[in-house]
Amino acid sequence: KAGVTQTPRYLIKTRGQQVTLSCSPISGHRSVSWYQQTPGQGLQFLFEYFSETQRNKGNFPGRFSGRQFSNSRSEMNVSTLELGDSALYLCASSREPGLQDNEQFFGPGTRLTVL
Amino acid sequence: QQQVKQSPQSLIVQKGGISIINCAYENTAFDYFPWYQQFPGKGPALLIAIRPDVSEKKEGRFTISFNKSAKQFSLHIMDSQPGDSATYFCAARYTGNQFYFGTGTSLTVIP
Repeated sequence: KAGVTQTPRYLIKTRGQQVTLSCSPISGHRSVSWYQQTPGQGLQFLFEYFSETQRNKGNFPGRFSGRQFSNSRSEMNVSTLELGDSALYLCASSREPGLQDNEQFFGPGTRLTVL
Repeated sequence: QQQVKQSPQSLIVQKGGISIINCAYENTAFDYFPWYQQFPGKGPALLIAIRPDVSEKKEGRFTISFNKSAKQFSLHIMDSQPGDSATYFCAARYTGNQFYFGTGTSLTVIP
């Protein structure tokens, strides 16, 4: 079974630009969560999608948005990029929320550098 | 506000020794506590997890100890090996699928 795939793996942008990251979950998984990982803050929850609906949202500004498609693939978008947005963005897939042992499988991440 | 506090930030252990990483939380609504292992350039991978109605869970060399009254849980790695050198994260789950992570512990096992 293929794992979680994220594209692109590396991205360099300049301040003010916008970026779209993509995540394909494991086949059969319908829940996708996004995290931002930085050396100073660790892993921080961005948002979670299930059945094309955002179920939870972390404490990030509105510049961070996402969506999920009917095939469970998800995209996240960051507009008006700031230097502080430089991070590893991780996508995690799981079967569905609410299951007792709902294991999350992480992708390799997209390394975003904002210059 | 850090929902899950993890210590130590870094840990150096001799091969064959025991590595211990601790986490503490405040929110009693958390219902699932996983530990993740992350190697450079990779995403975190689930190592072992526990529910709050269990006080200990062991899988191979890895053991989680859970103290519900103290709101603390810890990861013990027995017979630590150089291949265990990685960053370890504790996490706690809230409302279905929202996870809060500790800040990570960088473990180095010296041969």
